[in-house]
Amino acid sequence: AQSVSQHNHHVILSEAASLELGCNYSYGGTVNLFWYVQYPGQHLQLLLKYFSGDPLVKGIKGFEAEFIKSKFSFNLRKPSVQWSDTAEYFCAVSLLNAGNNRKLIWGLGTSLAVNP
Amino acid sequence: GAGVSQSPSNKVTEKGKDVELRCDPISGHTALYWYRQSLGQGLEFLIYFQGNSAPDKSGLPSDRFSAERTGGSVSTLTIQRTQQEDSAVYLCASSQAGGWSYEQYFGPGTRLTVT
Repeated sequence: AQSVSQHNHHVILSEAASLELGCNYSYGGTVNLFWYVQYPGQHLQLLLKYFSGDPLVKGIKGFEAEFIKSKFSFNLRKPSVQWSDTAEYFCAVSLLNAGNNRKLIWGLGTSLAVNP
Repeated sequence: GAGVSQSPSNKVTEKGKDVELRCDPISGHTALYWYRQSLGQGLEFLIYFQGNSAPDKSGLPSDRFSAERTGGSVSTLTIQRTQQEDSAVYLCASSQAGGWSYEQYFGPGTRLTVT
């Protein structure tokens, strides 16, 4: 079945530490990839997206993600986190389902807590 | 308004009652989505509108759930005979076009508590 896996459910880091959140999907066709973020008390918002072209995409607030097609992965990275990065992070993948309709499949999210 | 708005922000209802949740998308956005987010769970897709029609209702959990969209704008999600397991945050999102490849803009959600 098509799925999106976020392997880290809860991550705790100290400020200035590097961050990598994993996202893997199970689908062999063309995909569009997204990372959304939900800061405490705020709406979900887009962090970055990949449609085509350079597989290394840069988003807001110093985040970046790399699409590795051979690994079916779209991991999120940030070289040095800040306390304000404390949030819930969701990976989402747009793909074609069995009925040839495009669907958006969401991961379960990763809760990131950054200690000052 | 500039963003997606939802009302009410909080709703407490007794088991067995019907509730209506409202979503006002960003002006000009043709696609509208409803999701449910339960404690400790990811986003659960409920239904997707393109204009006033719903090409994908596959996520509605039971026939107690229904949704409509009128004028290509406001949408209402109705839950009949609410159950305790319906307690969750119901999120609405809109995008400028359909097809699941466009950025979705989310509203603040409606927190539903069924007692």
